[in-house]
Amino acid sequence: EPEVTQTPSHQVTQMGQEVILRCVPISNHLYFYWYRQILGQKVEFLVSFYNNEISEKSEIFDDQFSVERPDGSNFTLKIRSTKLEDSAMYFCASSSQGPNQPQHFGDGTRLSIL
Amino acid sequence: QKEVEQNSGPLSVPEGAIASLNCTYSDRGSQSFFWYRQYSGKSPELIMFIYSNGDKEDGRFTAQLNKASQYVSLLIRDSQPSDSATYLCAVKASGGYQKVTFGTGTKLQVIP
Repeated sequence: EPEVTQTPSHQVTQMGQEVILRCVPISNHLYFYWYRQILGQKVEFLVSFYNNEISEKSEIFDDQFSVERPDGSNFTLKIRSTKLEDSAMYFCASSSQGPNQPQHFGDGTRLSIL
Repeated sequence: QKEVEQNSGPLSVPEGAIASLNCTYSDRGSQSFFWYRQYSGKSPELIMFIYSNGDKEDGRFTAQLNKASQYVSLLIRDSQPSDSATYLCAVKASGGYQKVTFGTGTKLQVIP
């Protein structure tokens, strides 16, 4: 069964450094998403991406964050100048065409900011 | 602020029993409803989705939706210890938005 893959599984970074989290969505999916989950808290929406542009973003997704689809398969989340509170699990998800299609999640990247 | 509310639990049921998980949502215009299972330290795994009022069954799982009451539930029949996990209710709004809002999840413990 096709799946969303994320790399790395765990990223440790010094505060103030930039990180790039990578995702390969399911191949025939057209909508891509990033969510985060701080330890012990709920899953929170960050951003959705469709047709090579951001279609929706939350208030969490400020100028520190950016997303990119650099080629036909990868989808990345960049966090500039990381802060301690950015420590969380970051999940990439994708869904196929259609307004109500379910989102399928990758295994996540655990980001630890020191 | 569009909210999705769940009882955090834990909900403890004996093996073989029916587990009933409930969720309410605040946005009356919500169109799509999803149940995800999340094991500790793992990612959300899609279990069921439902769009129309009524029941939808898939194996041991039944999702129930009542839009008038803004209520969605998940029933797990013949609960197994492997069903022990946190169950996340997720809701997608209307209007073409793709954002899914998650509840905090209900922790289910199935006792052997």
